Amino acid sequence: SQQGEEDPQALSIQEGENATMNCSYKTSINNLQWYRQNSGRGLVHLILIRSNEREKHSGRLRVTLDTSKKSSSLLITASRAADTASYFCATDKGGGNKLTFGTGTQLKVEL
Amino acid sequence: GAGVSQSPSNKVTEKGKDVELRCDPISGHTALYWYRQRLGQGLEFLIYFQGNSAPDKSGLPSDRFSAERTGESVSTLTIQRTQQEDSAVYLCASSLQLYEQFFGPGTRLTVL
Repeated sequence: SQQGEEDPQALSIQEGENATMNCSYKTSINNLQWYRQNSGRGLVHLILIRSNEREKHSGRLRVTLDTSKKSSSLLITASRAADTASYFCATDKGGGNKLTFGTGTQLKVEL
Repeated sequence: GAGVSQSPSNKVTEKGKDVELRCDPISGHTALYWYRQRLGQGLEFLIYFQGNSAPDKSGLPSDRFSAERTGESVSTLTIQRTQQEDSAVYLCASSLQLYEQFFGPGTRLTVL
């Protein structure tokens, strides 16, 4: 079963704009991670936020976590064409770091 | 340094045949994971190896699926009597600490 559900399923923006993707999950988690997948580089880890954290930044990425709503958001600022990819949230419920992935958001950044 | 490698990159097989997929993790990584990704979907956890502990097989979809790992190195995922629903990309990941997982490029399996 899918622990995480991302929305929107697809997002198309212009270069320079910000992109926001959301993720909802169902059970308690140890941490939540965001991954990017494209055909050129496979699946790449972007950022991890622990259950006791509310916000985290990494370069142009900003992740928030609201455990009361069981939701997270990923913001990519000043998007670039190279950001075009599928973005997945993955939750770790603890006990071995087995990740449960959502269905992903397909982001397209147009020039 | 070298990342996670998987072989073959593509595998086409006939329904009913057995297949073996191989994963070479990053040297020194104690944890190894197998996931399956169907077209347009997220990843489904299959199995997890951590050091010398018994593997966590809770994600294997049926007894046709099995996996082995030799120490802290190579792992093979075996699918017996393949079915068309087994068609997917099979991804392997390894990690040193219980956080970031490094993924291989995957094996695309097509069952005809």
